[in-house]
Amino acid sequence: GENVEQHPSTLSVQEGDSAVIKCTYSDSASNYFPWYKQELGKRPQLIIDIRSNVGEKKDQRIAVTLNKTAKHFSLHITETQPEDSAVYFCAASMGYGNKLVFGAGTILRVKS
Amino acid sequence: NAGVTQTPKFQVLKTGQSMTLQCAQDMNHEYMSWYRQDPGMGLRLIHYSVGAGITDQGEVPNGYNVSRSTTEDFPLRLLSAAPSQTSVYFCASTLHPTGGAGANVLSFGAGSRLTVL
Repeated sequence: GENVEQHPSTLSVQEGDSAVIKCTYSDSASNYFPWYKQELGKRPQLIIDIRSNVGEKKDQRIAVTLNKTAKHFSLHITETQPEDSAVYFCAASMGYGNKLVFGAGTILRVKS
Repeated sequence: NAGVTQTPKFQVLKTGQSMTLQCAQDMNHEYMSWYRQDPGMGLRLIHYSVGAGITDQGEVPNGYNVSRSTTEDFPLRLLSAAPSQTSVYFCASTLHPTGGAGANVLSFGAGSRLTVL
């Protein structure tokens, strides 16, 4: 089955700096790659997703890139702010009805 | 819409006891799933369902049962609780995909924190 590895497990950055979180997946048939943000004590919330027919997607300060050949995808957050501090999860699946498998998560701390 | 509703929010059980975590959604989502979240291990899929009457196993199904008699409800049953089942449980659902935006976006419930002594 699918296996998703996520790095780093913790990341500390200064406010205003960029943060990058990387994930690799094992199943070349996977075609949907979402990123979820989870604040302390809250439920995970989708922040951005990408499908296998797209190499990059941006939404304001957040971007995701996908390299299908290497089977890895990355989350980029620019101009980080203290409210970006949270746990971020990547995930992969073959789409609806197929198991969405999550990475172990990255704790992002933005220091002001 | 209330979205995805989970009950209870907190529960303490003794080893060997049984209980059911309830999950209901009012968004007419066909796909529903249960995840458990443990420190350093992310979210692991327990069971999922693509529609009423259809269920399937995820990554960590042992010790858990599910059923899907209606589109709205997807309860998770622990028949004989073990300390290893101490975790935070999340129910999540999504619409049947049409290929458009949001087709796979999971809507999560608020979570149920279970402690097994």
